[in-house]
Amino acid sequence: GQQVMQIPQYQHVQEGEDFTTYCNSSTTLSNIQWYKQRPGGHPVFLIQLVKSGEVKKQKRLTFQFGEAKKNSSLHITATQTTDVGTYFCAGGGYSTLTFGKGTMLLVSP
Amino acid sequence: NAGVTQTPKFQVLKTGQSMTLQCAQDMNHEYMSWYRQDPGMGLRLIHYSVGAGITDQGEVPNGYNVSRSTTEDFPLRLLSAAPSQTSVYFCASSYGLVSDRKAFFGQGTRLTVV
Repeated sequence: GQQVMQIPQYQHVQEGEDFTTYCNSSTTLSNIQWYKQRPGGHPVFLIQLVKSGEVKKQKRLTFQFGEAKKNSSLHITATQTTDVGTYFCAGGGYSTLTFGKGTMLLVSP
Repeated sequence: NAGVTQTPKFQVLKTGQSMTLQCAQDMNHEYMSWYRQDPGMGLRLIHYSVGAGITDQGEVPNGYNVSRSTTEDFPLRLLSAAPSQTSVYFCASSYGLVSDRKAFFGQGTRLTVV
């Protein structure tokens, strides 16, 4: 079945540093989604990418979808303490989403 | 607008007991899914449904049953609870369009089996 790998598992940064998490799929994806989960909370949708090579920005967050539609990245510029949480990518198949294991981000002030 | 509602929020079961986790959505979404989340394992799909009367197995279906008699409700049944089913369970719903598969998650049910 479809597998989605995400790296790193964990990253601890100082406030103001940049952060990137990477997602790779074993198969071509119809779309990829990114979610954020705060500690003790539930996953919350951030964005969906559908087109090959697509780049989308949300304030300090930049999302990319690879040309082959098998990889994606999330980059946060100048992290803030409010960015703390676990970021998941999820590959869209025909009927289901396959989630990566997530990257836990800690930000020290 | 309630979104996705899960009950209960917390539950402690004894090994061998059965119970049903409830999930309801009020967004008229076709797709609904159940995930379990364990430390370091991400979100693993248990069962899913693409519409009323249609269900299918996900990655980790053993020990769980589902049914979907209405668009709104998608209960998850634990047949005979085991300690390995201690986890946080999330229900999610979405539209069926590939161009709009944004998933809305419930608040989760934290289940402990002793």
